[in-house]
Amino acid sequence: DIQLTQSPSFLSASVGDRVTITCRASQGISSYLAWYQQKPGKAPKLLIYTALILQSGVPSRFSASGSGTEFTLTISSLQPEDFATYYCQHLNTYPITFGQGTRLEIK
Amino acid sequence: EVQLVESGGGLVQPGGSLRLSCAASGFTFSDHHMDWFRQAPGKGLEWVGRSRNKGNSYTTEYAASVKGRFTVSRDDSKNSLFLQMNSLKTEDTAVYYCARDNQFHAFDIWGQGTMVTVSS
Repeated sequence: DIQLTQSPSFLSASVGDRVTITCRASQGISSYLAWYQQKPGKAPKLLIYTALILQSGVPSRFSASGSGTEFTLTISSLQPEDFATYYCQHLNTYPITFGQGTRLEIK
Repeated sequence: EVQLVESGGGLVQPGGSLRLSCAASGFTFSDHHMDWFRQAPGKGLEWVGRSRNKGNSYTTEYAASVKGRFTVSRDDSKNSLFLQMNSLKTEDTAVYYCARDNQFHAFDIWGQGTMVTVSS
C-alpha cells in the first residue's frame, strides 16, 4: 500500500498568515493526488485535484504543487473559515489512502 | 442540486449486518465511479470500497479491512449506491460517506454521512 505522510500534523497560525502543508508518498504517484478540507461534523470538501488543479468554487488563496512523491498545499492568507483539518489522498493504485491529516488551528 | 444522501446507519451488535444506501441526484449517476469511505470517531478518513460505472462493467474494489465482509453495489435505474456490511466488528464503528469520483482521481461530491455503531 502507498503511505501518505503529512507534515506537520498540527499547525497553529493567525489570520493573514501564509501556511504550507506537505504530503509525502511512500512511492511515486505521478500527479494523482487530491487535497480536502474537513470541518468538525462535516463531510470532506475537495480543494485540489490532480496535484494542482483548483476545484471550482474554491478560493484562489489555495494553491498546490508537486508530483511523484512530494506535494504541497499552500494557503496564501489565512481566513477565519480556513481553520479546519486538511487531508491529502491518492488514487494511483488500490487501496486509495489518505494522509493522517493536518489540523490547522487559530493561534 | 447535485447531492448525495446516505441512509441506513444505526446501532448493530457485533456479528450483525447492515445495509447502507446512498441516493444521488442532480447528475448522471451512471457515468460515475462511486465510492464509500468511513471515519471512526476522532480519526482520519479511510477508503472502504468502489463501484465502477457501467462502462467498466460495474467492477468493484475493496479495502483489505472489509474485503469478504462488505459488498458495494449500485442500481443505476434508481440512482443509488449500496454498501452491504456483514460480520460487523466493533472496529467498523464510524461515520460512513458515499462520494462521487470526478473522473480525475478525486472525489468532488460527498454525502452528509451516516453513523454506524457496532456494540453489544
